[in-house]
Amino acid sequence: AQSVSQHNHHVILSEAASLELGCNYSYGGTVNLFWYVQYPGQHLQLLLKYFSGDPLVKGIKGFEAEFIKSKFSFNLRKPSVQWSDTAEYFCAVTRSQNAGNMLTFGGGTRLMVKP
Amino acid sequence: DTAVSQTPKYLVTQMGNDKSIKCEQNLGHDTMYWYKQDSKKFLKIMFSYNNKELIINETVPNRFSPKSPDKAHLNLHINSLELGDSAVYFCASSPLRGGYQETQYFGPGTRLLVL
Repeated sequence: AQSVSQHNHHVILSEAASLELGCNYSYGGTVNLFWYVQYPGQHLQLLLKYFSGDPLVKGIKGFEAEFIKSKFSFNLRKPSVQWSDTAEYFCAVTRSQNAGNMLTFGGGTRLMVKP
Repeated sequence: DTAVSQTPKYLVTQMGNDKSIKCEQNLGHDTMYWYKQDSKKFLKIMFSYNNKELIINETVPNRFSPKSPDKAHLNLHINSLELGDSAVYFCASSPLRGGYQETQYFGPGTRLLVL
C-alpha cells in the first residue's frame, strides 16, 4: 500500500538547535514531494516542494529538504530553529500514476521549540 | 484578499443532523479538494473536483456529498452526522487539471464537532 512515514511524532528542541525531520515514502515511480507546516490553529502552508532537478531544495523561513531517491527519503532540515517554528510538519507525496493530484500525507511531526 | 476561504470556521452539532461546509477560492484555480484531518492530525483526501467535475472520490461514506456549483466553489454536505465525523475539514485548490505536479493551497479549516 502507498504510504508516507514520518518517524518522529514529537520533537522538542531548544532555540538555535538544528532540526532534521525524517520522511520516507514506500513506492517507486515518479513522485513529487512536499513539506507543509501547520502553525497552531492555522491552515496548512507550503514550506517547500521537489518536482525534479537539484535534489536539495530550499523553502521559506530557512528550511531546506533533500531528496535521496535511493533511500526513498525527503528529510526536512533547518540549521537553527526559532521559537516561532513550533508547529506541526507534514510530509506529502503525489504520484504521476494518480488519476488526480492526490496528496498522500505522512502522520505529521509535532515540533516544540523551547525559548 | 483571502485565497481559499471556508465557512463556518467552527461547527458544533448533534448526531443525526445534516450540515454543510462551504469553500471558495479566488485564485482562479480549476481544481478543488476536500481533506479530513482527524483527532490525531492525520490528513486524508476525500474528494477533488476539476471544473465542477468529480475526479477523486476516496472511499468516503455516501453521507458525504460534495457539490461544485462553479469552479470557484466546492461545498461539502454531510447527512446524518456521526460522532466519527468530528474532525477538521480542509478545502484546497490547485491551478489546472489537478496534475500531480501542482501545488495545493489550503483553506483555514472547519472544525466540526458532533455531539
